[in-house]
Amino acid sequence: GNSVTQMEGPVTLSEEAFLTINCTYTATGYPSLFWYVQYPGEGLQLLLKATKADDKGSNKGFEATYRKETTSFHLEKGSVQVSDSAVYFCALQRSSASKIIFGSGTRLSIRP
Amino acid sequence: GAVVSQHPSWVICKSGTSVKIECRSLDFQATTMFWYRQFPKQSLMLMATSNEGSKATYEQGVEKDKFLINHASLTLSTLTVTSAHPEDSSFYICSARDQLYTDTQYFGPGTRLTVL
Repeated sequence: GNSVTQMEGPVTLSEEAFLTINCTYTATGYPSLFWYVQYPGEGLQLLLKATKADDKGSNKGFEATYRKETTSFHLEKGSVQVSDSAVYFCALQRSSASKIIFGSGTRLSIRP
Repeated sequence: GAVVSQHPSWVICKSGTSVKIECRSLDFQATTMFWYRQFPKQSLMLMATSNEGSKATYEQGVEKDKFLINHASLTLSTLTVTSAHPEDSSFYICSARDQLYTDTQYFGPGTRLTVL
């Protein structure tokens, strides 16, 4: 079946550090891939997405590249800020009409 | 961008009572909405897919008589937790699909339910 596996947290970094959160997926066909962010006490916000192989999604300094050969969609940011502290979810969707399948989430804490 | 609202944002109720949660798409019509449940520090799990004008499709293991879903209009879906118990306490999140313009799911801010 379709599934998403992402790096377990929590992840704690100092401000301005480089961030990588690993995400791999299992799916038939060519799913769309997403990263969502959830700030404390809030709902989900779409951070970025990619719909086909080799696409790079980017937003707010975050990037992720859809790698079909490694079935991965790792999230990266060159210099994190305290305000990036949140829970990050990797997710996939087989088609626009289907449900979104989420990974377990990675809690990120940034120290000043 | 497209906005999805939920009401209430949080609710506390006594065991045995029923609670209704509303999910509205504010600036687009949604023939399909989805209801998710999130336990503390865990991921979102899909409960059911709500289709306007027809019965909802429930995921395996979700009690349809316990979690009643109504999608009576193109902008509103409701989830009613019937005879709530403390184990139903959770964060409930809906999403709505904008099929016409962006073909994207947009998430609501969530409703935190606490059953005493």
